[in-house]
Amino acid sequence: AQKITQTQPGMFVQEKEAVTLDCTYDTSDPSYGLFWYKQPSSGEMIFLIYQGSYDQQNATEGRYSLNFQKARKSANLVISASQLGDSAMYFCAMRVMNTGFQKLVFGTGTRLLVSP
Amino acid sequence: EPEVTQTPSHQVTQMGQEVILRCVPISNHLYFYWYRQILGQKVEFLVSFYNNEISEKSEIFDDQFSVERPDGSNFTLKIRSTKLEDSAMYFCASSEETRTYNEQFFGPGTRLTVL
Repeated sequence: AQKITQTQPGMFVQEKEAVTLDCTYDTSDPSYGLFWYKQPSSGEMIFLIYQGSYDQQNATEGRYSLNFQKARKSANLVISASQLGDSAMYFCAMRVMNTGFQKLVFGTGTRLLVSP
Repeated sequence: EPEVTQTPSHQVTQMGQEVILRCVPISNHLYFYWYRQILGQKVEFLVSFYNNEISEKSEIFDDQFSVERPDGSNFTLKIRSTKLEDSAMYFCASSEETRTYNEQFFGPGTRLTVL
């Protein structure tokens, strides 16, 4: 079975600082994808970044980067230069190739609060 | 930019009533999903749908739930006899393909409140 663990229920960061949100995963499947979604207080799920299990380089998307350590089974999200608008819930999710239809399995999330 | 839409944004119902949550996936997408998020908890997979049939469902998706694609655009989740514990945010998602790197695009959600 696949599992995502996010051990930080809440994180605080000052504006313009960088922050790392932790995510570890468990799967026996060699082919999988890791996703990060942002959920602001309005409730929608916003896709941020993707990392494939066979990707050689860590994914980056603007201020977001993914610190992928395959041997440790971790896929931490790094947000550089935090902004007030980054305050939200952040979910790590995994998708594996078992059935071919690949549901997303989510972690419990980390609430990030960016202070001025 | 194409997006997944969901209606209504908020639904209030009495316990035991039937509700239908509606979703319009992105037009060229072939794979559809429903997820549920109980307040303050993680997002949980309910069901995936492809080629007019369920491809996978979770243990949450019991006989009170059903999904349908009644026409070429809508994708619906029906809850036959709602219970208090069905109160949650329900997200529809769609994807073009199912390769691992294909993003699932989420709708804005329907908040269901069962009284």
